[in-house]
Amino acid sequence: QKEVEQDPGPLSVPEGAIVSLNCTYSNSAFQYFMWYRQYSRKGPELLMYTYSSGNKEDGRFTAQVDKSSKYISLFIRDSQPSDSATYLCAMSAQSNYQLIWGAGTKLIIKP
Amino acid sequence: NAGVTQTPKFRILKIGQSMTLQCTQDMNHNYMYWYRQDPGMGLKLIYYSVGAGITDKGEVPNGYNVSRSTTEDFPLRLELAAPSQTSVYFCASSQPGGPYEQYFGPGTRLTVT
Repeated sequence: QKEVEQDPGPLSVPEGAIVSLNCTYSNSAFQYFMWYRQYSRKGPELLMYTYSSGNKEDGRFTAQVDKSSKYISLFIRDSQPSDSATYLCAMSAQSNYQLIWGAGTKLIIKP
Repeated sequence: NAGVTQTPKFRILKIGQSMTLQCTQDMNHNYMYWYRQDPGMGLKLIYYSVGAGITDKGEVPNGYNVSRSTTEDFPLRLELAAPSQTSVYFCASSQPGGPYEQYFGPGTRLTVT
């Protein structure tokens, strides 16, 4: 079993829809939870990070962590075609600088 | 502030050839990483470094070598290229202390034929 599981998709939704992207993990030591966005033929870029449990909002994006279920989510409101990209989750423990990565979910927003 | 830069952007190698992928960061980050990303797959860690003179193997180090003589530079060497090394290679860097977010370069697209 992988430490971090993420559905590779693709996930295709119409413009304006609310998108939910998810990762599950097995290591209870993870404290930092990140979402990266990767456009085609580009390097990943950090979108948001959350420490421990709870929600974090940034514009149209909301990151949610449920440590009791070992489940993290990224919600995108009012999705736009420019949000079409691969979204990768990544996690790390308090004392370990190495990130553990999900496989990434390819998201397609149809105009 | 250029962040993380990588050269070359593209390269085609013949089987058995060698090459060095260059990576430079100007953020004074201690930690640097090399990943490969195969189509439709996530990132696999090849090598990493926690500071000048210190390197260690990641998940998939076979066929690669690294060195870290300065804080800024972290080149990745491919010896005796094989078709299995066809991939996109990303260099990244991060600071010590949580949350350890990594900053990525634009990638090098390598084909071995």
